[in-house]
Amino acid sequence: EVQLVQSGAEVKKSGESLKISCKGSGYSFTSFWIGWVRQMPGKGLEWMGFIYPGDSDTRYSPSFQGQVTISADKSISTAYLQWSSLKASDTAMYYCARGVVAAPPTFDYWGQGTLVTVSS
Amino acid sequence: EIVMTQSPATLSVSPGERATLSCRASQSVSSNLAWYQQKPGQAPRLLIYGASTRATGIPARFSGSGSGTEFTLTISSLQSEDFAVYYCQQYNNLGTFGQGTKLEIK
Repeated sequence: EVQLVQSGAEVKKSGESLKISCKGSGYSFTSFWIGWVRQMPGKGLEWMGFIYPGDSDTRYSPSFQGQVTISADKSISTAYLQWSSLKASDTAMYYCARGVVAAPPTFDYWGQGTLVTVSS
Repeated sequence: EIVMTQSPATLSVSPGERATLSCRASQSVSSNLAWYQQKPGQAPRLLIYGASTRATGIPARFSGSGSGTEFTLTISSLQSEDFAVYYCQQYNNLGTFGQGTKLEIK
């Protein structure tokens, strides 16, 4: 069974750093893209970027380029999303998801989400 | 960046009736278009990719059509579990989601 299990909710202050995780199981982690999607409170979905753990090829949406870093450790089948300096506007639910083989920027299996709350 | 526009913002339909949701791209995305369903408190669920290919386990009442800049998601006979928010997503150039259509019970 394919599963993506994300790290737990975080409460941080503006200016702090953060790294959240997404562990894949039940499939070959290095053979599928893993992406990240933001959903701000009461709002829609935003495509952030994705990574191919097999070779660490990473692509970012222009809206998120330079704002976050996506990485992966294939030895432990885990992808990461990190911020060096959080802002209150980073408050959101963040989902990781697995790319469809035939259409990698599209996602078929999703994690449960990680709620990040940033206070000013 | 490609902008995706969904209409209407809210659609009210009775159970058993047909629902038609629209999605327009600001430039051609060929057939690189997906649809998702999201219920409150849940992660999104992939319904359609390639504009018309149903994802694994998706019922046949869900169908997608279109190419270029105009796309449609049709739900042929609405079931109670279909009332949710629906998003389109282009993946011709990375990814961009539409703002969503809320499908509510009439």
